[in-house]
Amino acid sequence: QAQLVESGGGSVKPGGSLRLSCEGSGIPFSDDYMTWIRQVPGEGLRWISYISSTGRYTNHADSVKGRFTISRDNAKNSMFLHMNSLRVEDSGVYFCTRGRNHAFDLWGQGIPVIVSS
Amino acid sequence: QSVLTQPPSASGSPGQSVTISCTGSTSDIGRFDLVSWYQQFPGKAPRLIIYEVNKRPSGVPDRFSGSKSDRTASLTVSGLRAEDEADFYCSSYAGYNLWVFGGGTKLTVL
Repeated sequence: QAQLVESGGGSVKPGGSLRLSCEGSGIPFSDDYMTWIRQVPGEGLRWISYISSTGRYTNHADSVKGRFTISRDNAKNSMFLHMNSLRVEDSGVYFCTRGRNHAFDLWGQGIPVIVSS
Repeated sequence: QSVLTQPPSASGSPGQSVTISCTGSTSDIGRFDLVSWYQQFPGKAPRLIIYEVNKRPSGVPDRFSGSKSDRTASLTVSGLRAEDEADFYCSSYAGYNLWVFGGGTKLTVL
């Protein structure tokens, strides 16, 4: 059964750091690009970060550039989001997704991140 | 504020059809035929229901259809059922490995 499972979320003070992990199973993990997408409860979705299938290419939304870094370890079927200098507005539920055909066809269950003093 | 504009709500009676619009710009919807739509139930992750404007993933009923004209994409749900009640989000590829989303539309089945 194809699935993505996120971990590593939690509560942190402004200026702090967190590392989110996403582990894939039941899928050819190294075949596809991956992204992180954030949702603030009661609000919409926002694309945060992209990483190519090999990890060679990455991109981040302007709001997190210079603070967040996406990476992956295909040997471990895992993807990561390193979040530094966290701000209150970074709070939300973070979804790990698989990308195909410029859409997101497989989603994790989501992991909450709370940035609060 | 979301880059793509969706109506906050839409509604219809069982059996009817409802269309949800998603308006972008010449940098996203107007430039690429790479619009996707997602259905989300409360407390659940979104589910892909339309990609590349009008294609359905395996397992998605043909009651869901998509289209695009200029800078506006649309999702039509035909033969509404009670179980269709959910939030719907549009998304578009915007070039350079970047994507944008709409603010979401809450669909109510009356």
